[in-house]
Amino acid sequence: GDSVTQMEGPVTLSEEAFLTINCTYTATGYPSLFWYVQYPGEGLQLLLKATKADDKGSNKGFEATYRKETTSFHLEKGSVQVSDSAVYFCALRLTQGGSEKLVFGKGTKLTVNP
Amino acid sequence: DSGVTQTPKHLITATGQRVTLRCSPRSGDLSVYWYQQSLDQGLQFLIQYYNGEERAKGNILERFSAQQFPDLHSELNLSSLELGDSALYFCASSASQGGETQYFGPGTRLLVL
Repeated sequence: GDSVTQMEGPVTLSEEAFLTINCTYTATGYPSLFWYVQYPGEGLQLLLKATKADDKGSNKGFEATYRKETTSFHLEKGSVQVSDSAVYFCALRLTQGGSEKLVFGKGTKLTVNP
Repeated sequence: DSGVTQTPKHLITATGQRVTLRCSPRSGDLSVYWYQQSLDQGLQFLIQYYNGEERAKGNILERFSAQQFPDLHSELNLSSLELGDSALYFCASSASQGGETQYFGPGTRLLVL
């Protein structure tokens, strides 16, 4: 079935380090792909998205490129900050006949130390 | 602030009881989605409503039910609660029945003792 696999955490980095969180998916058809972020004690916020192959989503210094050939949507940031500490979720959107659902990965907890 | 509100923020109850979680979507959004976040299952889609009608069902137990009212707010009813129902329940909303970004509320944390 449709699924998302993302790298297990937790990930601990120093400020200004480079971040990569891997995400691969299995889906029939051509799903849209998302990264959501959950800060401590809060709900999920949309970080970025890509709706078709080769699209690059970007926001707040984060980027991810929709790679159909490798079924991947890896999240990257060149220089992380302490304020980026959160849980990051990769998700795909399945839309069919007037219905829709998001399928999430298990989440990757990122801690950035000063 | 996503514009999606959920009440209550926290709920503590006992096994066998019934609770109702409430969600108000963003102004103008017609679709409401419910998700469950637990340590063992992760984030799972439960159900979608669009303009008062059920549109999609995920891994929702028979003990759980939902509805969307004419003013577009939604309620998730959980009955015969078990310890394993303890989780964070999120509501999300989007403008249409599919293809638009889903915006999430802050969640309701349910603890079943």
